Amino acid sequence: DVKVTQSSRYLVKRTGEKVFLECVQDMDHENMFWYRQDPGLGLRLIYFSYDVKMKEKGDIPEGYSVSREKKERFSLILESASTNQTSMYLCASSQQGLREKLFFGSGTQLSVL
Amino acid sequence: GENVEQHPSTLSVQEGDSAVIKCTYSDSASNYFPWYKQELGKRPQLIIDIRSNVGEKKDQRIAVTLNKTAKHFSLHITETQPEDSAVYFCAAKDTSYDKVIFGPGTSLSVIP
Repeated sequence: DVKVTQSSRYLVKRTGEKVFLECVQDMDHENMFWYRQDPGLGLRLIYFSYDVKMKEKGDIPEGYSVSREKKERFSLILESASTNQTSMYLCASSQQGLREKLFFGSGTQLSVL
Repeated sequence: GENVEQHPSTLSVQEGDSAVIKCTYSDSASNYFPWYKQELGKRPQLIIDIRSNVGEKKDQRIAVTLNKTAKHFSLHITETQPEDSAVYFCAAKDTSYDKVIFGPGTSLSVIP
């Protein structure tokens, strides 16, 4: 089974802090994604990466950046956390040739106070 | 870009009844439509998908239908059971960069 691991299940940060959300997958998947989940809005794509050191903006990239230095790891960075970034963050991965078949991590519930 | 709408936002059914969730998409070039189920406190998981070259696909009690002309697709669950209670997300593959764009979700409650 594909395992997508997010480093924290719950995280509480203060406004203005720099926040790192880490995601690691163990199936040698080329593709990795960060989504944000909010009630009534579904899952919205923040950033994605189809290769090491490659990144593309999703639909809501403002206020976020990403880093992919190694194939198995994809980090989401909130440069200066704000209260409207309080949300559930989901990482996902998929294999080459089947980009659309996503395997999700368990999520990180981030609260920004 | 692709936009996916989903209805209803909440749905309650009696155990044993059928449940239907409907989605529409905007990009006529989209060719892949997955459905994910998210149980409370758990990760979303793919339960069924359909490609644009077929009109219907079944897997035991669940089925998905696709109408390309009308740009809508639906999830059908028959003989619902309490373990079907979850949030269901439809999605469509955006043809630019192969991104998967999700609908807002439907919270299904199956009442014993």
